[in-house]
Amino acid sequence: DVKVTQSSRYLVKRTGEKVFLECVQDMDHENMFWYRQDPGLGLRLIYFSYDVKMKEKGDIPEGYSVSREKKERFSLILESASTNQTSMYLCASSLLGTQETQYFGPGTRLLVL
Amino acid sequence: QQQVKQSPQSLIVQKGGISIINCAYENTAFDYFPWYQQFPGKGPALLIAIRPDVSEKKEGRFTISFNKSAKQFSLHIMDSQPGDSATYFCASTYYGQNFVFGPGTRLSVLP
Repeated sequence: DVKVTQSSRYLVKRTGEKVFLECVQDMDHENMFWYRQDPGLGLRLIYFSYDVKMKEKGDIPEGYSVSREKKERFSLILESASTNQTSMYLCASSLLGTQETQYFGPGTRLLVL
Repeated sequence: QQQVKQSPQSLIVQKGGISIINCAYENTAFDYFPWYQQFPGKGPALLIAIRPDVSEKKEGRFTISFNKSAKQFSLHIMDSQPGDSATYFCASTYYGQNFVFGPGTRLSVLP
């Protein structure tokens, strides 16, 4: 089974702090994604990466950056956390190719005070 | 072109009943149509998926019906159980990279 793990299930941070969210997948997937999920807004793509050191902006990249130094690991960075970044953050991965789908991690619920 | 519409927004079904959730897509380049199930506080989990050259796929109590000409697909949950109560997302994807999700349907199955 595909396994996508996220470093923390719950995080509480203060405004202005730098926050790192880490995601690791064990299935040699080329693609990795970061979403945030908020009530009534569904899943919104922040960034995705299709290869090591490659990244593409999603729908809401402002206030976030990402890092992919190794194929299995994709990090989301909040340079200076703000209260409007309080959310559920979901990491996902997928193979590159036709008829491939995403596999999600358990999510990190981030609270910024 | 990239939107996936999903209805209803919420659904209440009695135990043993049939739950039906509908989705419609616009981009004919999509090549795979997965459904995800998400319980509160958890990440979405892949439930069932279908290719566009197949009209129906069944796995246990879950069935996807796919209408390529109408660009619509639906999830049917037969003999719905309280444990099926969750949020369901449809998605359309192309080449494992471009994923578009529906807004989700919150299903409640009453005992």
